[in-house]
Amino acid sequence: ETGVTQSPTHLIKTRGQQVTLRCSSQSGHNTVSWYQQALGQGPQFIFQYYREEENGRGNFPPRFSGLQFPNYSSELNVNALELNDSALYLCASRSGLDGETQYFGPGTRLLVL
Amino acid sequence: GQQVMQIPQYQHVQEGEDFTTYCNSSTTLSNIQWYKQRPGGHPVFLIQLVKSGEVKKQKRLTFQFGEAKKNSSLHITATQTTDVGTYFCAGVYNTNAGKSTFGDGTTLTVKP
Repeated sequence: ETGVTQSPTHLIKTRGQQVTLRCSSQSGHNTVSWYQQALGQGPQFIFQYYREEENGRGNFPPRFSGLQFPNYSSELNVNALELNDSALYLCASRSGLDGETQYFGPGTRLLVL
Repeated sequence: GQQVMQIPQYQHVQEGEDFTTYCNSSTTLSNIQWYKQRPGGHPVFLIQLVKSGEVKKQKRLTFQFGEAKKNSSLHITATQTTDVGTYFCAGVYNTNAGKSTFGDGTTLTVKP
C-alpha cells in the first residue's frame, strides 16, 4: 500500500457532464501529479500541484482543472466530458518538487457514454 | 516535442529466460524512472537513474542509463512468474516542472 487513496474507484458519466475525482496524498507529501492512462498506453501527465499552486501542465485542454487543499489532498475536475476522456485517472504524490519516489494511488476508472 | 519510445511492446518468455526492455528519448533527459504495473493495478516505482552511464541493480533487475542520457534499459535475469506485468519508463526533462513523460510500456508474460 502506498498510502495514496482515490475516490471513487469507478464512475460512469455521459458526454457533456462534469466530473470531480479526489485524491488523498501520502502523509507529508506536498506535491501531487495527475495522470490519464488510456487502455494499453502509458500514463499521460495532466498537471502537478505543489503547495496548492499548479506547477507544470501537460497537453490537456483547460476543461481539465485541479485544486490542492491545505492538507495536500487534491481534486481533478473535468468539464464537458467527451467520449475519449474514458480512461484510468491516477494521482501520484511525492515529498517536494525533487522527491525521487512518486507514489501512485489505485486510480479512478472513468467511463464516458 | 519530447517523446519517450519503448520497445518491445510485448515480450513472452519461458520462466527462467532473461528479459530486456529499452527506452529511448528524442531529447536529453534530466533523469529517468522505471515503474511496474500489474494487470488491473497502478504503476509502482522501481528506481530512478540520474547520472550519465549509471547502472543500478535490484536483485535480478539491472537498470542502465545511457551515456548521452537519452536511452535506458531494464534487464531481468532468470524471469519468474511474479515478474509478469507492464514495465514503463518515464523520462523527466525538467525536474521542477513535475512532468514525467511515460513510454507506452513493455508487457511481459512468463510461461511457467
